[in-house]
Amino acid sequence: AQKVTQAQTEISVVEKEDVTLDCVYETRDTTYYLFWYKQPPSGELVFLIRRNSFDEQNEISGRYSWNFQKSTSSFNFTITASQVVDSAVYFCALSEASRGSTLGRLYFGRGTQLTVWP
Amino acid sequence: EAGVTQFPSHSVIEKGQTVTLRCDPISGHDNLYWYRRVMGKEIKFLLHFVKESKQDESGMPNNRFLAERTGGTYSTLKVQPAELEDSGVYFCASSHGMGDYGYTFGSGTRLTVV
Repeated sequence: AQKVTQAQTEISVVEKEDVTLDCVYETRDTTYYLFWYKQPPSGELVFLIRRNSFDEQNEISGRYSWNFQKSTSSFNFTITASQVVDSAVYFCALSEASRGSTLGRLYFGRGTQLTVWP
Repeated sequence: EAGVTQFPSHSVIEKGQTVTLRCDPISGHDNLYWYRRVMGKEIKFLLHFVKESKQDESGMPNNRFLAERTGGTYSTLKVQPAELEDSGVYFCASSHGMGDYGYTFGSGTRLTVV
């Protein structure tokens, strides 16, 4: 079973619209980390945020915000007032912190292709 | 500091040929990871080095893939012989500590097997 599910394969919005990218995860660990990465057309994976399982506070960084809810095993990402430069593939990832030899491994979702039209 | 460097950035080879991908991690990063994304699917873990030792290679798809990390510095991933299903983007990442989660990813190598 997939540990990270990003149900939205593609999303298209028009500039200035708000958009939320969903991420649902599955783990039995009590200590884990959640990540979001952005992959622009140039190809590199750009780190956006890391959250540990003990910190459920929502976070805002400029136009980006993240909503972590352990009760629903979700870690959703919202872009406010989207811009064309936000067009990219966004990946959600999970790392389990108590797995011995697999400590440090990231489990990624399939990614959501976001296209922002001018 | 210099980031994680991968080369080549693109490679197109014929089925049955051999290809070697290289990753230069950030200097001083003991942990080096290889991942692969096949078109439209999730990015999947391949293996993890701690210095020159393989900590976890459970993600390697089969014995056509061979990874090495000589002297605990750069790493190579060789595919021999390449098959069509090996096409995808191969990412390398490095981190200082195994549990610090301060990963830095390279730009990836796009491998196309024809």
